[in-house]
Amino acid sequence: AAGVIQSPRHLIKEKRETATLKCYPIPRHDTVYWYQQGPGQDPQFLISFYEKMQSDKGSIPDRFSAQQFSDYHSELNMSSLELGDSALYFCASSFQGANTEAFFGQGTRLTVV
Amino acid sequence: KNQVEQSPQSLIILEGKNCTLQCNYTVSPFSNLRWYKQDTGRGPVSLTIMTFSENTKSNGRYTATLDADTKQSSLHITASQLSDSASYICVVRSGTYKYIFGTGTRLKVLA
Repeated sequence: AAGVIQSPRHLIKEKRETATLKCYPIPRHDTVYWYQQGPGQDPQFLISFYEKMQSDKGSIPDRFSAQQFSDYHSELNMSSLELGDSALYFCASSFQGANTEAFFGQGTRLTVV
Repeated sequence: KNQVEQSPQSLIILEGKNCTLQCNYTVSPFSNLRWYKQDTGRGPVSLTIMTFSENTKSNGRYTATLDADTKQSSLHITASQLSDSASYICVVRSGTYKYIFGTGTRLKVLA
């Protein structure tokens, strides 16, 4: 079965650079969530989209922006990268409904040097 | 404040033994509760999903319980295997869009 695809799997950037992470949800899923997980920490919710509209916002820095496109894939744009942005970034997708599963991608490991 | 707390923080057991992980939550509104297994550096994988009306649900060697009155859930692992070594995360869905992650329990199974 198709899963949530994230790209790239690994990314190394320098401070003050820009990074774009991509997430391709499971087919027919209409909701995408982004999470940031620092080393040894639990995932922190960043932002979510439902039907291409932002549905909820968590602890996403102003330097970050995200959007969901017409094909339901989503991109997380990160600018002016800082060392503290180094983390594993997860994307999850679900189909709208109270008791539906959220499936996670394998994550993108971002290292800022 | 919405919170999901798990215990113990870490656990070491011998292969073949059983163990139980705990999850206490204060989340409102409550939609459902999931247990995920996360291998290091990989995405969380769902083990079970519990709705308000469900008390017990099994998935192979994993059995989850939910007490909606006390807002507690447990994940029982039977006959542990080396491959069970991972982080186990309790996630509560609040409303439609929000997932609140627990602090996780790091399980290490030794031969």
